[in-house]
Amino acid sequence: DTAVSQTPKYLVTQMGNDKSIKCEQNLGHDTMYWYKQDSKKFLKIMFSYNNKELIINETVPNRFSPKSPDKAHLNLHINSLELGDSAVYFCASSQGQDGLGEQYFGPGTRLTVT
Amino acid sequence: GENVEQHPSTLSVQEGDSAVIKCTYSDSASNYFPWYKQELGKGPQLIIDIRSNVGEKKDQRIAVTLNKTAKHFSLHITETQPEDSAVYFCAASRGNKLTFGGGTRVLVKP
Repeated sequence: DTAVSQTPKYLVTQMGNDKSIKCEQNLGHDTMYWYKQDSKKFLKIMFSYNNKELIINETVPNRFSPKSPDKAHLNLHINSLELGDSAVYFCASSQGQDGLGEQYFGPGTRLTVT
Repeated sequence: GENVEQHPSTLSVQEGDSAVIKCTYSDSASNYFPWYKQELGKGPQLIIDIRSNVGEKKDQRIAVTLNKTAKHFSLHITETQPEDSAVYFCAASRGNKLTFGGGTRVLVKP
């Protein structure tokens, strides 16, 4: 019954590899997000999609590419992984796109690049 | 863009005492200010929020105040309990873009 789910929970990989993180929400929300939380716990938005349309695209390297096959799913693909990509990645969702409401976060995916 | 500063970065309180976390923001167009609690190994979870047309909001032991003129807002937790121990984040929103503060690690000592 998880509202926002992410897979995998842990991801350990080597530099240069390509990996994907999947996110699904069963809340019927229109908007989904990807956040990055670094080792100092700082949370920063990366992308936001509303009904499969990209609406926020922060200054993130082109190696990061989000894909939203439908409004319940938002996946994150990362090419040519670097050490600095190690972080916890959170998916979130919210109803509407006016920003005046709760964002529901997934449990996070801890990515470790060696 | 928006910049949110949060203080203190760590806060240790005795069970039963109050805890106060303060945030300032830079973008006067921000109109929504949520507070999130993050427990170890979990995603952040909303605990209270306030909109720019409201000065104060309370929910049981938790209250938030907003001073739009000074561009700062605060979280107050009364009668703290051990389960209040977590990392707390303030945030400011313009449109649907949330900018988070750096977080406050709260430890409630029994």
